[in-house]
Amino acid sequence: SQKIEQNSEALNIQEGKTATLTCNYTNYSPAYLQWYRQDPGRGPVFLLLIRENEKEKRKERLKVTFDTTLKQSLFHITASQPADSATYLCALSMDSSYKLIFGSGTRLLVRP
Amino acid sequence: DAGVIQSPRHEVTEMGQEVTLRCKPISGHDYLFWYRQTMMRGLELLIYFNNNVPIDDSGMPEDRFSAKMPNASFSTLKIQPSEPRDSAVYFCASSFGSEPQHFGDGTRLSIL
Repeated sequence: SQKIEQNSEALNIQEGKTATLTCNYTNYSPAYLQWYRQDPGRGPVFLLLIRENEKEKRKERLKVTFDTTLKQSLFHITASQPADSATYLCALSMDSSYKLIFGSGTRLLVRP
Repeated sequence: DAGVIQSPRHEVTEMGQEVTLRCKPISGHDYLFWYRQTMMRGLELLIYFNNNVPIDDSGMPEDRFSAKMPNASFSTLKIQPSEPRDSAVYFCASSFGSEPQHFGDGTRLSIL
């Protein structure tokens, strides 16, 4: 069956450390993988998109990797801050489709 | 720029009543998406439109759900009759072509 898995347990880290979140998928062949941030009571906000032929993408303190052999994406936040505390969702999209299939999200807590 | 606007933000109604959720996409966007988010199932795509035409409604749970987009600046999602299991947060999102989606802040629906 098709699955997208993200850590269901919250990730709790100290301010200044690097947060690493994982997104694993099975029985999909995504053309794109996207990461979104969701705060309580708000809609998801787009952060980064990476294509299947890209290994890594960076934006400021954010970095995403995409390994189509392992069927895994890693999302890194360096020099984390309490303001980074939120739920982070990964989403897959397939060729010639604008449909996004979301993972269940991982909650990140950054302690001051 | 105004983002995606959804109304109402909260809706509480009794089982059997008709519920209408509304969405105003970002001006100029040609894709509109309706999602449902629950703890159990996460964020699921219900239906999406391109240039006001429904493209894929395979995520609509059953005939009690219907969605329309009469023009480029307005869409509705209706549930009739509503059931307690429809309780969820419903999100609308819009995008321009294959660019990342912009989400509204959702309608929290409770069916008693």
